[in-house]
Amino acid sequence: AQSVTQLGSHVSVSEGALVLLRCNYSSSVPPYLFWYVQYPNQGLQLLLKYTSAATLVKGINGFEAEFKKSETSFHLTKPSAHMSDAAEYFCAVTTGSSNTGKLIFGQGTTLQVKP
Amino acid sequence: EPEVTQTPSHQVTQMGQEVILRCVPISNHLYFYWYRQILGQKVEFLVSFYNNEISEKSEIFDDQFSVERPDGSNFTLKIRSTKLEDSAMYFCASSERSRTGLCFGAGTRLSVL
Repeated sequence: AQSVTQLGSHVSVSEGALVLLRCNYSSSVPPYLFWYVQYPNQGLQLLLKYTSAATLVKGINGFEAEFKKSETSFHLTKPSAHMSDAAEYFCAVTTGSSNTGKLIFGQGTTLQVKP
Repeated sequence: EPEVTQTPSHQVTQMGQEVILRCVPISNHLYFYWYRQILGQKVEFLVSFYNNEISEKSEIFDDQFSVERPDGSNFTLKIRSTKLEDSAMYFCASSERSRTGLCFGAGTRLSVL
């Protein structure tokens, strides 16, 4: 069975600082990995996805993530935080063997950006 | 840009009442989903729907829950007899193909009193 663990339920950075949100996955078959962002009172918006092509994936709003099979990780980074990045971030996994496309989500990380 | 729309945004109901949550997926999408998020907890999978039938459901999705795609555009989640523990944010999602990522609606907040 697949699972996702996000280390740190809350992360706080200063504006302009590096953002690093951690995600580790567990999957017995090659995973497809996703990061979603949820702004207050809104739905989940897809930031980026890894689907077995390039291991470094670029997404919207300057975010990127690197798939590291040896570490079973898919950490999300952004070089310079902006106030508008404050939101909740979810890592999710599905697998190529899933014909339903069902996503399994991590517990989420709330990103706070301080001025 | 096309989006998934959900109505209502907030539904308040009494315990034991039936509720129907409505969703309009993106028009050319073929896979449809319901998820829920209890306050402070993970986003949990409820059910997936493809080709006019349930393709997968979780343990949460018991006989009190049902889904329907009554016409070419709407996708509904019915809870037959609501319990206090059904209080949560319910998200509808759709995708064009499986494993490409889901497009989520803004959610319906269900409050069971």
